[in-house]
Amino acid sequence: SQQGEEDPQALSIQEGENATMNCSYKTSINNLQWYRQNSGRGLVHLILIRSNEREKHSGRLRVTLDTSKKSSSLLITASRAADTASYFCATTDPWGYGKLTFGQGTILTVHP
Amino acid sequence: ETGVTQSPTHLIKTRGQQVTLRCSSQSGHNTVSWYQQALGQGPQFIFQYYREEENGRGNFPPRFSGLQFPNYSSELNVNALELDDSALYLCASSYGTGALNTEAFFGQGTRLTVV
Repeated sequence: SQQGEEDPQALSIQEGENATMNCSYKTSINNLQWYRQNSGRGLVHLILIRSNEREKHSGRLRVTLDTSKKSSSLLITASRAADTASYFCATTDPWGYGKLTFGQGTILTVHP
Repeated sequence: ETGVTQSPTHLIKTRGQQVTLRCSSQSGHNTVSWYQQALGQGPQFIFQYYREEENGRGNFPPRFSGLQFPNYSSELNVNALELDDSALYLCASSYGTGALNTEAFFGQGTRLTVV
């Protein structure tokens, strides 16, 4: 079963604009990870944020985590056509063995 | 490149047949997890192997089975294939388990089509 939902399901923007994707989850987490997937191939790990962290940056990526609202957001600044992909959030729970529970994903299209 | 390789990349099988998918983990990693991703969906956890033992299993029937070898590479076996088994199968490599589990690195996947 899916842990939560991503919002929006699809996002279309122009190159240079910022893209924001949101993820909600249902149960307590150990960490939350964001992945990118191009054209139905393998998942590329983008960033991991632990449950005791509130914000993390990596290059043009900014991730926030609000455990009280059970939600996270991924911001991609100054988007490029190459950022066109599906983006997934995935959580691990505090009691388990590290399995990832994924959301349904957001399809991002960046127009040149 | 993540250092996680899967083979084959594509496979077509007939309903009722058996299939074996392979995954070599990233150097230094001792945990391999398998996921099934249906078209338009997020990946679903099948099972995890840690130091050659099954360490956890998702909601998949027993005809989905696996192995992990001493070099930490892994196989996913599916018996009695059904049409609904058509999906992208992803292997993920990481270090440790539980709260100590690190971020997972995925292979490019095997696209299985059952006809």
